[in-house]
Amino acid sequence: SAVISQKPSRDICQRGTSLTIQCQVDSQVTMMFWYRQQPGQSLTLIATANQGSEATYESGFVIDKFPISRPNLTFSTLTVSNMSPEDSSIYLCSVEDGSGHGYTFGSGTRLTVV
Amino acid sequence: AQSVTQLGSHVSVSEGALVLLRCNYSSSVPPYLFWYVQYPNQGLQLLLKYTSAATLVKGINGFEAEFKKSETSFHLTKPSAHMSDAAEYFCAVSVNTDKLIFGTGTRLQVFP
Repeated sequence: SAVISQKPSRDICQRGTSLTIQCQVDSQVTMMFWYRQQPGQSLTLIATANQGSEATYESGFVIDKFPISRPNLTFSTLTVSNMSPEDSSIYLCSVEDGSGHGYTFGSGTRLTVV
Repeated sequence: AQSVTQLGSHVSVSEGALVLLRCNYSSSVPPYLFWYVQYPNQGLQLLLKYTSAATLVKGINGFEAEFKKSETSFHLTKPSAHMSDAAEYFCAVSVNTDKLIFGTGTRLQVFP
């Protein structure tokens, strides 16, 4: 199955600033997914990123707040823009690795906004 | 659109007792179903998955789940709970290897 390298693993940021999270996959994948896990909550899908097209955002998430890049089939970034304390969460990327309907997750980025 | 419902946000069992975590799904087409476990301050680990093969799926750590189409359920069970099973468990559904949608999670506590 695919292996995902996600960074940074954690960060503490000032409100009003932006943070870009990177995910690198060791194989080519069509779709990459970005999730948010708020403290004590489940995972919520932010958007689906396909290479060569704009990301598809879920209800409640907008491109201005969470811009996503997908320059090739092995890499994607998620930016959390103009952060507020409510953005403090764990952000995870994921891929469907084509090994039989398996989904692999990155180790997550624990973001704290102060 | 597909969704999953996990009944019971918290489940408590005694060590050695049966573990039963409930998950019901909604999907207009045949779904793929998953159970993940998350230990405190750790990442997600896949326990097992149903991908339209055998309806009884065996996973890691002695867990298993049975896909019941008539009941739209995919409950997770383990015959004998261990202290190390204490964690958060998530049921999830996908269709045609599209996005994975998670339930709200069930926190399992195991008492000695």
